[in-house]
Amino acid sequence: GDSVTQMEGPVTLSEEAFLTINCTYTATGYPSLFWYVQYPGEGLQLLLKATKADDKGSNKGFEATYRKETTSFHLEKGSVQVSDSAVYFCALSDRDTDKLIFGTGTRLQVFP
Amino acid sequence: GAGVSQSPRYKVAKRGQDVALRCDPISGHVSLFWYQQALGQGPEFLTYFQNEAQLDKSGLPSDRFFAERPEGSVSTLKIQRTQQEDSAVYLCASSLVGSSGPVRYNEQFFGPGTRLTVL
Repeated sequence: GDSVTQMEGPVTLSEEAFLTINCTYTATGYPSLFWYVQYPGEGLQLLLKATKADDKGSNKGFEATYRKETTSFHLEKGSVQVSDSAVYFCALSDRDTDKLIFGTGTRLQVFP
Repeated sequence: GAGVSQSPRYKVAKRGQDVALRCDPISGHVSLFWYQQALGQGPEFLTYFQNEAQLDKSGLPSDRFFAERPEGSVSTLKIQRTQQEDSAVYLCASSLVGSSGPVRYNEQFFGPGTRLTVL
């Protein structure tokens, strides 16, 4: 079945460092891809999405590009802030069912 | 406007008790999803409604789990004879249009979740 694999955390960075969180997927067909973020004490929020190959999703300085050839959707940010500390989830959505399949999450800790 | 709300936010149950978890989706949202999130894991799909119709319940882990959405709005997830392995955060999400709509995908908006602890 469909699945998502993302790098294990925690990822610990200093403020203004470059961030990469790797995500790869296995799916039949052509899923939509997402990054969700869960800030401490809050619910899941959509961070960005891409619906077809070569699309780039972006929001709040974060970017991810849908790479069909490598089945990847890596999350990047050029300069992280303390306020970016959260758990990040990569997910895919099957085009027929809409249900989301999540990775296990990556905790990001940013220190001043 | 109001987002997705869930109640109770926290529930402690003794093993063997029945529990009912409520989800109030965003008004007008057609699709409603339930997910289970174990500690340190990503959410896992349980079931999906389009209006009042339960179109997919393939993720329900056993016949002790039952979900309903009788009027196509509020949904209740019921767990009978709770077990310790049922301890998790139960997330509800809603989206505006179902998979048969003109747009192939709509964003799922998540509620804060109900943290269930079974002793």
